[in-house]
Amino acid sequence: GEDVEQSLFLSVREGDSSVINCTYTDSSSTYLYWYKQEPGAGLQLLTYIFSNMDMKQDQRLTVLLNKKDKHLSLRIADTQTGDSAIYFCASYGQNFVFGPGTRLSVLP
Amino acid sequence: SAVISQKPSRDICQRGTSLTIQCQVDSQVTMMFWYRQQPGQSLTLIATANQGSEATYESGFVIDKFPISRPNLTFSTLTVSNMSPEDSSIYLCSVEDRTVLNEKLFFGSGTQLSVL
Repeated sequence: GEDVEQSLFLSVREGDSSVINCTYTDSSSTYLYWYKQEPGAGLQLLTYIFSNMDMKQDQRLTVLLNKKDKHLSLRIADTQTGDSAIYFCASYGQNFVFGPGTRLSVLP
Repeated sequence: SAVISQKPSRDICQRGTSLTIQCQVDSQVTMMFWYRQQPGQSLTLIATANQGSEATYESGFVIDKFPISRPNLTFSTLTVSNMSPEDSSIYLCSVEDRTVLNEKLFFGSGTQLSVL
């Protein structure tokens, strides 16, 4: 079946930029997503990008998509302690496929 | 975006018992889904809850273990039956928001289940 891969952990200092990377296998993916999960909570849709776009910016969040390499990244500018969470990458082609999640730790 | 209320938010249950999780949406939705998130893992789709017909289960999940109801377009329940410690997970209800321009999946706040 289709697969989505992410690195499992990332640590950054408060105020720095965070970059979370993701690769996917479904070449028919029409949408790609980033979700945020805080402890004890469900998944919150942060942002998404249509597959014919290269970049999408939304305040502190920048999504970059390299469709040729099937690579997606999420950049969080000026990372804050409130950004500490697990971030899930997901693709949608025939169905939704989620990555394993990247645990972002923000150090003071 | 749809507002999804899920309850209970957490529960601790004894082995061999059953727990029913409820999911209420503030608008009518066609597609509702139930996911399981085992500790430290990603999401696994259990089933699609179809209104007016039986749920569609993914490989590895069966109706006897995870019976699902979908009596109308705003409500669904998932029951975890005859629980064992291996069923300890977060269970998530989700709904699909599909328009001509995009496709999104929204989640409830989850039910954290611990089985002793």
